[in-house]
Amino acid sequence: DTAVSQTPKYLVTQMGNDKSIKCEQNLGHDTMYWYKQDSKKFLKIMFSYNNKELIINETVPNRFSPKSPDKAHLNLHINSLELGDSAVYFCASSEGWVTSTDTQYFGPGTRLTVL
Amino acid sequence: DQQVKQNSPSLSVQEGRISILNCDYTNSMFDYFLWYKKYPAEGPTFLISISSIKDKNEDGRFTVFLNKSAKHLSLHIVPSQPGDSAVYFCAANRDAGGTSYGKLTFGQGTILTVHP
Repeated sequence: DTAVSQTPKYLVTQMGNDKSIKCEQNLGHDTMYWYKQDSKKFLKIMFSYNNKELIINETVPNRFSPKSPDKAHLNLHINSLELGDSAVYFCASSEGWVTSTDTQYFGPGTRLTVL
Repeated sequence: DQQVKQNSPSLSVQEGRISILNCDYTNSMFDYFLWYKKYPAEGPTFLISISSIKDKNEDGRFTVFLNKSAKHLSLHIVPSQPGDSAVYFCAANRDAGGTSYGKLTFGQGTILTVHP
């Protein structure tokens, strides 16, 4: 019974390609997030959606486009992949988004390698 | 501009001893702090948190201490067990009257190894 799942777990692709990473949560949460863990190991928030509505959009290139078809899914589409996009991408969810005390539950991560 | 830093990339301790993981932050607006634990090939899992109105929070073997004047927090694990071996991330949030939007700022993690 995986709470937050991501597919694929590994993704190797060439520069310039377009790829998507899918995320699903079965916790009934209203809020979902995408984080990027860079080469220096910092986890940085990219996007947050609440009930399919964009809440947080950090300074992320517009080649990255999140899509939330329903509140249980938040997919990440990346156009024209660049070498610097290589990272581990984590999806997370939480019950709410208003206060800081809502625990965020993370997926296992997707390791993206751009060649 | 990394607002949350964990300056020790790794820590090695003997089973049964105390593990102390440290975290520093620079943004004085942060008022809620969390520790996450991460095993290989898994996502981070929430461990313990502390609000800025407290200086200590305890949960079983885990205690988090907050020193606001020094902008420093630490996680103590007593006694340490081999199953505690993992990467530990500290994170911070700005509640701002209840409109934080869940935006966590993470440190880069410390690898804890507990030897039997």
